[in-house]
Amino acid sequence: GAVVSQHPSWVICKSGTSVKIECRSLDFQATTMFWYRQFPKQSLMLMATSNEGSKATYEQGVEKDKFLINHASLTLSTLTVTSAHPEDSSFYICSARQNSGNTIYFGEGSWLTVV
Amino acid sequence: RKEVEQDPGPFNVPEGATVAFNCTYSNSASQSFFWYRQDCRKEPKLLMSVYSSGNEDGRFTAQLNRASQYISLLIRDSKLSDSATYLCVVTLYTGGFKTIFGAGTRLFVKA
Repeated sequence: GAVVSQHPSWVICKSGTSVKIECRSLDFQATTMFWYRQFPKQSLMLMATSNEGSKATYEQGVEKDKFLINHASLTLSTLTVTSAHPEDSSFYICSARQNSGNTIYFGEGSWLTVV
Repeated sequence: RKEVEQDPGPFNVPEGATVAFNCTYSNSASQSFFWYRQDCRKEPKLLMSVYSSGNEDGRFTAQLNRASQYISLLIRDSKLSDSATYLCVVTLYTGGFKTIFGAGTRLFVKA
């Protein structure tokens, strides 16, 4: 099946620093990718929809200047958490939609801990 | 009303039991439907697509009822390894592609 790779799998950073997470579709092209956040024992929360070659669409309540999204190619989207704070510690997951269909495939997720 | 609603559970069933989950969606323009499985501290993984004609994969059967706007997942002969959260996912196009996740239904299968 289709594969989406997310990197890094886990990262620990200091408060105030920025962290970049990459999401790659390895064997298919994805014009649309999605970024989610999931806190322990809670459901996935869509943060933003990333569109190749254009600005991302952010969900209500998600700060676009804090969570920078870049989707420069059909196989790569990045999420940068800027000026990270401990409350940003969470499980961040990306997903990609195959251009040839509607199926969504998820990356393995990235655990972010801000200390 | 939420766009996609699921009973959060948890469902606690013994091994070998049959368990069914339902999911309702509010937008009649919804186009594609899926069930995903998410294990604790892992990413969701596609379990199966859902069609009006029904879709069966081994012990799992998914069904779509467009008239009533709900989808279902039936698990027969439950295994311990079926314990997970099952997410109902709906996609539609409203000027842009949109994916909506249900909050998930937690299943615990006991020995």
